[in-house]
Amino acid sequence: AQTVTQSQPEMSVQEAETVTLSCTYDTSESDYYLFWYKQPPSRQMILVIRQEAYKQQNATENRFSVNFQKAAKSFSLKISDSQLGDAAMYFCAYRSSVYNQGGKLIFGQGTELSVKP
Amino acid sequence: DTGVSQNPRHKITKRGQNVTFRCDPISEHNRLYWYRQTLGQGPEFLTYFQNEAQLEKSRLLSDRFSAERPKGSFSTLEIQRTEQGDSAMYLCASSLRETNPYNEQFFGPGTRLTVL
Repeated sequence: AQTVTQSQPEMSVQEAETVTLSCTYDTSESDYYLFWYKQPPSRQMILVIRQEAYKQQNATENRFSVNFQKAAKSFSLKISDSQLGDAAMYFCAYRSSVYNQGGKLIFGQGTELSVKP
Repeated sequence: DTGVSQNPRHKITKRGQNVTFRCDPISEHNRLYWYRQTLGQGPEFLTYFQNEAQLEKSRLLSDRFSAERPKGSFSTLEIQRTEQGDSAMYLCASSLRETNPYNEQFFGPGTRLTVL
């Protein structure tokens, strides 16, 4: 069974600085998808960025980028030029590419990010 | 509103009572997922539907839990004889598999259940 681990329960960053959130996962599959979701306080979860395992190029979405290290099974999220609105719980998630797995997401425990003005 | 909606947003009940939650997915989405999130934890998969068929159930889904998706539209999640351990946020998500290889899931705001 696949697992996702986020070893940083809490992180803090100064506004306009850069922060990196860590995520490791365990799987025996060679193709899969990885995601970072953001869950602001009392608001719904939204997708921040996604990566397909067979694509070596790291995904980037504006101020958000990932460092995907397939051999190390590591998928970290870098937030550049942090803004107050980035404060939220961030979840790393794994999805199998096997069709009969149904596309369910396996989440890590989350990292609560606070942004200091 | 084209997002995923869930009702009610909050539910307080006494132990032993039955509760039912509703999820309305994005209209063209054929997959619908239920997750449970306890305080300070990541969401855990409960079950999913493709159209009206329930294709997978997690071992977390005890026999007190039942989910339906009649006609492949909205879904309901019922918990019978609630226990204090059922207190959690219940999240619904939907996706459209065919045009989205990532199977990106769009989440609703959740229903927070408190069992007294």
